[in-house]
Amino acid sequence: EAGVTQSPTHLIKTRGQQATLRCSPISGHTSVYWYQQALGLGLQFLLWYDEGEERNRGNFPPRFSGRQFPNYSSELNVNALELEDSALYLCASSTGQGARDEQFFGPGTRLTVL
Amino acid sequence: QKEVEQNSGPLSVPEGAIASLNCTYSDRGSQSFFWYRQYSGKSPELIMFIYSNGDKEDGRFTAQLNKASQYVSLLIRDSQPSDSATYLCAVTYDYKLSFGAGTTVTVRA
Repeated sequence: EAGVTQSPTHLIKTRGQQATLRCSPISGHTSVYWYQQALGLGLQFLLWYDEGEERNRGNFPPRFSGRQFPNYSSELNVNALELEDSALYLCASSTGQGARDEQFFGPGTRLTVL
Repeated sequence: QKEVEQNSGPLSVPEGAIASLNCTYSDRGSQSFFWYRQYSGKSPELIMFIYSNGDKEDGRFTAQLNKASQYVSLLIRDSQPSDSATYLCAVTYDYKLSFGAGTTVTVRA
């Protein structure tokens, strides 16, 4: 069974540009989560989508947004990129059956903002 | 106060020894507790989850949960060089998974 996939693997942008990151969950999973892992800051929760709806959001500015498509894949958009947005962005998926969900991570997208 | 705190590392143990990792959390309503392993440059890999007080064993790994003390731990028995990684404690509350900063474990041959 295929795991969570993410694209692209690496992304290089300049300040002020927009970045789009993509995620495909494990087959049968309806929930997709996005996390940011910046150097020295650990994993920070960004967004949670389930059944096409945004269910929860972390402490990030509105320029971090996303959506979930009918096939449960998801997109994370980061507008007006800043240098501190450079990080590994991880997507995870789960069955969406409640707070006991086990989340499985994709390989991540390394975003570098110059 | 951080939601999830882990004992600071790095933790160095000899091959074959027991590695003990600790984690405390702040939200009493937390419902699910996970341990992830992350190798350098890789994404986190789920290795254990526990929901109820007590111990849960899976191979060389044992997770322990004490909700009254808001404490969860991971023991790695018979540590191997391949266990060298950063271990992340994660706690679910209100459908959000909060991670600790991680403890880096080095198993020396």
